[in-house]
Amino acid sequence: AQKITQTQPGMFVQEKEAVTLDCTYDTSDPSYGLFWYKQPSSGEMIFLIYQGSYDQQNATEGRYSLNFQKARKSANLVISASQLGDSAMYFCAMREGGTSGSRLTFGEGTQLTVNP
Amino acid sequence: AAGVIQSPRHLIKEKRETATLKCYPIPRHDTVYWYQQGPGQDPQFLISFYEKMQSDKGSIPDRFSAQQFSDYHSELNMSSLELGDSALYFCASSTRTSGGAAKNIQYFGAGTRLSVL
Repeated sequence: AQKITQTQPGMFVQEKEAVTLDCTYDTSDPSYGLFWYKQPSSGEMIFLIYQGSYDQQNATEGRYSLNFQKARKSANLVISASQLGDSAMYFCAMREGGTSGSRLTFGEGTQLTVNP
Repeated sequence: AAGVIQSPRHLIKEKRETATLKCYPIPRHDTVYWYQQGPGQDPQFLISFYEKMQSDKGSIPDRFSAQQFSDYHSELNMSSLELGDSALYFCASSTRTSGGAAKNIQYFGAGTRLSVL
């Protein structure tokens, strides 16, 4: 079974508008972390934002916020005031458990295109 | 701020050859991870090391081996290369934080793009 599901292969948004990228996850571990990474066409993997399973508040980092709905097992990324440079592939990832060295499991990604 | 350094950035090999990828983690990071990303795919976890000991193991072929050295850098050794090994190989590093290991944010290097001809 897929542990991370991103149902939007591609998304389009107008510059300066907000966009939500969907992510649902599946785990029975009470301790887990959810991450979003950005991968531009140049290939590097850039960390954006983190949400812990025990965090009471939604994470925010500048223009990025994470809409965490634990009961629904969703962790959607919201990008406000989109910029042309936001055009990239976005991956949702999950880390289960509390062991150092534990892997990230990625979703299939969402290709975001910001139009001028 | 210092980032994860991977070398080489690009590598071209023939089938059945060997390759060695190197990774230098962020200073004071004690954990290193290796991921493989095929064309149009999400990254797949290969293996990780914490304090020079193997910590987690994913779908790493038996032809591949890796280790973490005393200075915390890591090497991924790949033998008997196949066409299907052509991919972007990422190294990431992290360190334990007060938020617990589940929070350990993995910072990725720029990757090594391996092409097997």
